[in-house]
Amino acid sequence: QSALTQPASVSGSPGQSITISCSGTSSDIGVYNYVSWYQQHPGKAPKLMIYDVTNRPSGISNRFSGSKSGNTASLTISGLQAEDEADYYCSSYTSTNTRVFGGGTKLTVL
Amino acid sequence: EVQLVESGGGLVQPGGSLRLSCAASGFTFSSYWMHWVRQAPGKGLVWVSRINTDGRSTSYADSVKGRFTISRDNAKNTLYLQMNSLRAEDTAVYYCAAVRAYFYYMDVWGNGTTVTVSS
Repeated sequence: QSALTQPASVSGSPGQSITISCSGTSSDIGVYNYVSWYQQHPGKAPKLMIYDVTNRPSGISNRFSGSKSGNTASLTISGLQAEDEADYYCSSYTSTNTRVFGGGTKLTVL
Repeated sequence: EVQLVESGGGLVQPGGSLRLSCAASGFTFSSYWMHWVRQAPGKGLVWVSRINTDGRSTSYADSVKGRFTISRDNAKNTLYLQMNSLRAEDTAVYYCAAVRAYFYYMDVWGNGTTVTVSS
């Protein structure tokens, strides 16, 4: 049950695009298309941003997109805005019918 | 309004016990698998446990296996987490989250309840 691997921090200027990677194994990301991404602002509950690798829930901006290649999933945010500054977590379904989260990535909008 | 509200957190001494509750409203609770996720101060999200729709199937993270018990009461639309033999490293905000049956993402989250294990 090792955590998925994410960069600790990323940054970008308003209007730019950034990508956050999430590395797993052949027991989670590599074998299932059940990767989700969550945004968390300080002191708030996590919010679903992407599910099943590429899908956006209703109400989530199309500036957020997801992808996967092999054991690594990615979240891309285009047209960065100040309100995008938050912590982002990936999560995957696992072969033992549990869940695993990444360590989290702090996004700073410069 | 779709809502999850956790309660039961507090300060407890090492070795003590606590029971968390998560009250659901605004959706068909019995159609959702439920999870507990925790977040230690300044740290990331960590999956703790899950239970299926009828309560007959449960799973736990290795770090809490044998100490924590997840359960649910569909008649009361409530999820529980019984925490025994608490340790300092269990100090965290505990969130409950809902996953629709046959889906794989947590689309409903509570606001969390804080558990502090300290003497």
